[in-house]
Amino acid sequence: GAVVSQHPSWVICKSGTSVKIECRSLDFQATTMFWYRQFPKQSLMLMATSNEGSKATYEQGVEKDKFLINHASLTLSTLTVTSAHPEDSSFYICSAFPRGAGRGGQGDTQYFGPGTRLTVL
Amino acid sequence: GNSVTQMEGPVTLSEEAFLTINCTYTATGYPSLFWYVQYPGEGLQLLLKATKADDKGSNKGFEATYRKETTSFHLEKGSVQVSDSAVYFCALNNQAGTALIFGKGTTLSVSS
Repeated sequence: GAVVSQHPSWVICKSGTSVKIECRSLDFQATTMFWYRQFPKQSLMLMATSNEGSKATYEQGVEKDKFLINHASLTLSTLTVTSAHPEDSSFYICSAFPRGAGRGGQGDTQYFGPGTRLTVL
Repeated sequence: GNSVTQMEGPVTLSEEAFLTINCTYTATGYPSLFWYVQYPGEGLQLLLKATKADDKGSNKGFEATYRKETTSFHLEKGSVQVSDSAVYFCALNNQAGTALIFGKGTTLSVSS
């Protein structure tokens, strides 16, 4: 089956530093990846849509200069949290659509990474 | 706008009990509906899905039927196990290839 990995699985950093999180599709190509954020005991909220070779599309209220997204290849998207602060502490999850998905109608499955736990001290 | 509402948890059951987790949605058009499960310390896994009205998704003993007339997609299992303890998310997307809209999640705890 399709596998999506994230690295690191957890990270602790000091306030003011930047953290990069990688999302990789291991056995398929993904032109579209999504980044979600999950606060404790809450649902996943979409942060941005990452498209290979173009700029990411951010959801309302998400600072694009703070959460930098780069989708440099068909198997890798990165999320960089710049100048992290304690309120950025959260669980960040990516998902990916296999290349070509979406043309056959609704219901194409996206595959989720295991998530990255970010703690900012 | 599109939204998903699912019952508040936690849901606490004994092993072999019947499970229902309610999920209703608001969406334009004909969304696809999903149930995802998140086991402790792990990422989300697709449990089942349905892409059109009256479709029934099923997997690992879990079932959910896409009811357009009641805009619902309730998750059921006839006999839960301790290993089913997890957080369950109902979700939809309104267009293929787009991000999912999730409900708040329902925590299920099953005791032996």
